[in-house]
Amino acid sequence: DGGITQSPKYLFRKEGQNVTLSCEQNLNHDAMYWYRQDPGQGLRLIYYSQIVNDFQKGDIAEGYSVSREKKESFPLTVTSAQKNPTAFYLCASSILNFGYTFGSGTRLTVV
Amino acid sequence: AQSVTQLGSHVSVSEGALVLLRCNYSSSVPPYLFWYVQYPNQGLQLLLKYTTGATLVKGINGFEAEFKKSETSFHLTKPSAHMSDAAEYFCAVSNYNQGGKLIFGQGTELSVKP
Repeated sequence: DGGITQSPKYLFRKEGQNVTLSCEQNLNHDAMYWYRQDPGQGLRLIYYSQIVNDFQKGDIAEGYSVSREKKESFPLTVTSAQKNPTAFYLCASSILNFGYTFGSGTRLTVV
Repeated sequence: AQSVTQLGSHVSVSEGALVLLRCNYSSSVPPYLFWYVQYPNQGLQLLLKYTTGATLVKGINGFEAEFKKSETSFHLTKPSAHMSDAAEYFCAVSNYNQGGKLIFGQGTELSVKP
């Protein structure tokens, strides 16, 4: 079955560490997105990519980095520069204007 | 610029009652409109969408929404609430020149009382 897979489901980060969240899709979608979700704040766009080897900053890109070397993959790195990384992270993909398909999310906690 | 406003961050209904979740949008060109549902600790799932054609759109789980251009609205309704409808609901807008990128509302949490 086609879909979008995020891993891991839960992730713990120590202070000063970089961590990478995985997002893989087999839907042949061109565009991929990363959102951060905090209680009561809806979805905030971190980065998005509409084509391989190209990506754009969203509203809250500081402290995050991404790559898009393959159409299927759009990993997100949360760097030590992100001072408040504890949140629920959602990856999505889309083609044309048919809406997004979302992954099941990764919950990141700083310990 | 496009924007979406969901009226009411929290809505509570009794089981069997009408569900009405409000969404108003702003767009200078014809919009594409979406409703998503999110259960706790899960991703978002598409409920329904409007792109062109019939303005009354039927989705999954008995939900429907009507696109009203004159009111710039896309309210989500369900005639009879079920306990399993308790979740967070997001309205989103896009258009043909956005490359598929959606603008989301802040979400409405729906509670269903027995």
